[in-house]
Amino acid sequence: QSVLTQPPSVSGAPGQRVTISCTGGDSNIGAYYDVHWYQQLPGTAPRLLIHGRNNRPSGVPERFSASESGTAASLAITGLQAEDEADYYCQSYDSLSGHVVFGGGTKLTVL
Amino acid sequence: EVQLMESGGGLVQPGRSLRVSCVASGFTFDDYGMHWVRQVRGQGLEWVSSINWNGDTVAYADSVKGRFTISRDNAKNSLHLHMNSLRPEDTALYYCVKYTSSSVDSSYAMDVWGQGTSVTVSS
Repeated sequence: QSVLTQPPSVSGAPGQRVTISCTGGDSNIGAYYDVHWYQQLPGTAPRLLIHGRNNRPSGVPERFSASESGTAASLAITGLQAEDEADYYCQSYDSLSGHVVFGGGTKLTVL
Repeated sequence: EVQLMESGGGLVQPGRSLRVSCVASGFTFDDYGMHWVRQVRGQGLEWVSSINWNGDTVAYADSVKGRFTISRDNAKNSLHLHMNSLRPEDTALYYCVKYTSSSVDSSYAMDVWGQGTSVTVSS
């Protein structure tokens, strides 16, 4: 059971907008620890997608954005493309456990 | 080019030990905290262990605490994970990951990932 909860799967048609939620608690997201997002394409290592307050590393399209509110965070993908089909993970830090925590991951299917 | 290269994985019997390693290049290794993250085939990411820039601060997941030891050699730009008393549930792909901070006691991003080294624990 992950400290951060994500939906197992989401789907959308090309061009649509999808969101992936990441729900935590008062000792992680609710304690103002930053949430970061990773994309893992099939057969590859994860790559950093968004870090901190909606910051995209070089090469990440503006179609990807993130937000936080209370004890939850979300990743939004607009103008969905076939190449976005991947697993997405959120990550933060938990003060109770004293270490990094990941969400369970969400598989995005582009219909 | 910023790169992390893991090695040392393989097939090991339950109860035995194994050390996996990672060599960093393309950045100043001792400026950053480092992590090991593992992934069972077909499953999600599991944080395993972390170490700050000089090795003074380490942390372990409950699932490996007391069995795994993380260490680093800044002179050789290398990170290690010594795994004792291995169990079948330790079977996974182990990633070496760079943090964007020298410390590991808060939430920073993991901006560089290796390709992983596979560990299989089976008799």
